Amino acid sequence: GEDVEQSLFLSVREGDSSVINCTYTDSSSTYLYWYKQEPGAGLQLLTYIFSNMDMKQDQRLTVLLNKKDKHLSLRIADTQTGDSAIYFCAETPDSWGKLQFGAGTQVVVTP
Amino acid sequence: DARVTQTPRHKVTEMGQEVTMRCQPILGHNTVFWYRQTMMQGLELLAYFRNRAPLDDSGMPKDRFSAEMPDATLATLKIQPSEPRDSAVYFCASGLVIFRGAESSEQYFGPGTRLTVT
Repeated sequence: GEDVEQSLFLSVREGDSSVINCTYTDSSSTYLYWYKQEPGAGLQLLTYIFSNMDMKQDQRLTVLLNKKDKHLSLRIADTQTGDSAIYFCAETPDSWGKLQFGAGTQVVVTP
Repeated sequence: DARVTQTPRHKVTEMGQEVTMRCQPILGHNTVFWYRQTMMQGLELLAYFRNRAPLDDSGMPKDRFSAEMPDATLATLKIQPSEPRDSAVYFCASGLVIFRGAESSEQYFGPGTRLTVT
């Protein structure tokens, strides 16, 4: 089910910043995640944020969390062609490690 | 470099045949997840295990699908009989959950098994 919602497509020029947005429904989620999937590959964990934080920065990646609005975003600075992929956000609807994924946002980086 | 492995990577079979997919989780991980990914449905959770015990398999069609963990190093997903609508990429993921609710739910995905049922 689509308890986690993302826009389906984002086109960005190389060198610009990308912002991928996500809304989730489970306010009890302890952690929220961003995964990246390249063509023909499995999902790769990019980063995550603990629910009591509102921002986390990791090199070119910045995660912003607005708990009040249940809104999560991933900003990629200086986007490169290697960043072209599908990006999934995920919430944790239970305490046993289960993740609820969004439908994914396809990011296409153009030269 | 620890990683989740899955076999086979590709499988083409005829409708009605049995299909078995295997997964070796990362050593020391105590949770294993099976997902199915299609263009239409996206990523669906089929089943997951903790310490080899099934926690939830409500996402799995019970009449034809079965998931087991014969030991801590092997998880299997079987489809019998297979149907064309089962064509998808099947992912296995593993993770380590120590205390309920207290640890992050990082999951590490395998490369997937691409199944085509004709």
